[in-house]
Order: sequence, then C-alpha cells, then structure tokens
Amino acid sequence: EIVLTQSPATLSLSPGERATLSCRASQSVSSYLAWYQQKAGQAPRLLIYDASKRATAIPARFSGSGSGTDFTLTISSLEPEDFAVYYCQQRSNWYTFGQGTKLEIK
Amino acid sequence: EVQLVQSGAEVKKPGESLKISCQGSGYSFTIYWIGWVRQMPGKGLEWMGIIYPGDSDTRYSPSFQGQVTISADKSISTAYLQWNSLKASDTAMYYCARLIRGDSSGYLDYWGQGTLVTVSS
Repeated sequence: EIVLTQSPATLSLSPGERATLSCRASQSVSSYLAWYQQKAGQAPRLLIYDASKRATAIPARFSGSGSGTDFTLTISSLEPEDFAVYYCQQRSNWYTFGQGTKLEIK
Repeated sequence: EVQLVQSGAEVKKPGESLKISCQGSGYSFTIYWIGWVRQMPGKGLEWMGIIYPGDSDTRYSPSFQGQVTISADKSISTAYLQWNSLKASDTAMYYCARLIRGDSSGYLDYWGQGTLVTVSS
C-alpha cells in the first residue's frame, strides 16, 4: 500500500499569507495525485488532480506541483474561506489518502 | 446538475445489519465508477471501495474486504453500502462520490452529503 504523509499536521497562518502544504508518497506515484479541501461539517471538495490540474471552478490562487514522491499544494493568498483541512490522494496503486493538514487562522 | 444524494443518519445496535444508499442524478449513472469513503469521528478519509454501476464490477480496499458489501441498482441510479453485523467501530460518516472518467480516472469529483452511522448499545 502506498502511504501518503502530509506535513505539517497543522499550519497557522493569517489571511493574505501564502500557504504551502506538503504530501510525500512512500513510493513514486508519478503525477497521479490529487488535493481535496474539507470544511467542518461538509463533504470534501476536489481542488487539484494529476498533481497540477485545477478542478472545475477552483480559484487560481490554488496551485499544485510535484511528481514522483514529493508534492505541494500552494494557496497564494489566503482568503477567510480557505481555512479548512486538506487531504492528498493517490491513484497510482489503488487509492489512498494522506492523513490531512489542518490550516487554521493565526 | 450532478448530484449524489445519500440516505439519512442511522443509529444501530452492535450486531444489527444496515444498508445505506447513494442516488445519482444529472449524469449517466452507469458509466461512472462510484466510490465509498469512511471518515471516523475526528479522523481522516479512508477509501473503502468502488463499483461500476454499468456491470456491478466491484473492488475493495484490503482493510474493508469482507467487512462491507458494495452494490448498485442501475435501474434506479443508486449505489449501496451494507453491513451484515455492525460493530461499534463502524461508527463514522460515510461518503459516496463519483470518480472522474477517462484519463484522470481515480479522483472523486462529486460527493454526496454523507451518511452518519452510529453504532451503540
């Protein structure tokens, strides 16, 4: 099973700041990685797929990069609605999620 | 508009059986895989399994094989997740979601609202 490790577990930032979230795979997943956002009490929402493609209606401030084992989700300038939990997910070998990064207001 | 609507919250006792549902609309239900995802209280997301409603081809994550059954009735555009004998550790929110079709298949682009299952004596 491919294990995805996200860091940090919690990230405390202020609106307007840049957020950088990391996801590391236990073996190469090529570019087969997605990012989801989950707000409290809601279902997850797909943000990025295939490492860098934005899903439908996702704002341009969200971007993804990486390949192989190291991936990054960047939020260029945080809006109040961006504070949530973020998960990565791979589709290279079956499907697994990372454990999540909580982005909280500082 | 693509929608996945899940059945309502359930409260069950250990040992009881349960079947929850996920009805799709606004798209061709039979040609998109549906996945089920578990989220235990305060925890992360876990991939349980997938089903192709067109022919009911079903695949399970190793952790969930033999623990649950995924099925579908394409005539009513509905997928199901069922347990024969619930345990307290099955208490969780369960989401169904549609997998993207085509070259990027394997990601979940539309999600149901979730079904909360509580198992308690």
